[in-house]
Amino acid sequence: DSGVTQTPKHLITATGQRVTLRCSPRSGDLSVYWYQQSLDQGLQFLIQYYNGEERAKGNILERFSAQQFPDLHSELNLSSLELGDSALYFCASSVAGVGANVLTFGAGSRLTVL
Amino acid sequence: QKEVEQDPGPLSVPEGAIVSLNCTYSNSAFQYFMWYRQYSRKGPELLMYTYSSGNKEDGRFTAQVDKSSKYISLFIRDSQPSDSATYLCAMSGLYNTNAGKSTFGDGTTLTVKP
Repeated sequence: DSGVTQTPKHLITATGQRVTLRCSPRSGDLSVYWYQQSLDQGLQFLIQYYNGEERAKGNILERFSAQQFPDLHSELNLSSLELGDSALYFCASSVAGVGANVLTFGAGSRLTVL
Repeated sequence: QKEVEQDPGPLSVPEGAIVSLNCTYSNSAFQYFMWYRQYSRKGPELLMYTYSSGNKEDGRFTAQVDKSSKYISLFIRDSQPSDSATYLCAMSGLYNTNAGKSTFGDGTTLTVKP
């Protein structure tokens, strides 16, 4: 157990629907990152939050949004789902600050859009 | 062109072989270089990281960074079947430069045959 908890582990839904993925970071970590991993692509950075504030944005679609709450857990909202959104979504956390950005990953949420 | 390019593989070696995994990058701002291991679509886990150029050894694993060539390598000595996984290189700048986000290579899948 890495200490980063992601729910749900698996999710099957239909095109056009909306889903929410949840992440609880490792205790003491202030920064949360979301990554998408498709079969034909590597880990794609979506967005980072640090202590409740958005810190960096990657290739995140406008249909996707995220937030980090005061208790530091984070949610990734995916709407108007398309077949191509089927992927593994990983949450990672880090202490953040100056130094190596060592990430601790959760087990991932596997999203299947039919 | 991607900021981080990783030898795609897949790589298949006999048990006991020395394995070399490699990445190149284009962003001179990268200061920290990480290697993650990912078993069958589970969350990546950190193997080791280095700062700037040089070598770092941890057991059977050696990470090597050549910043002048923008080239990093991970060597695995006496490879074992349990080393079979996908290896991801990742890089980040100083926190204030790159907002702490890591840029990942697409991964190299390694199979070590008994």
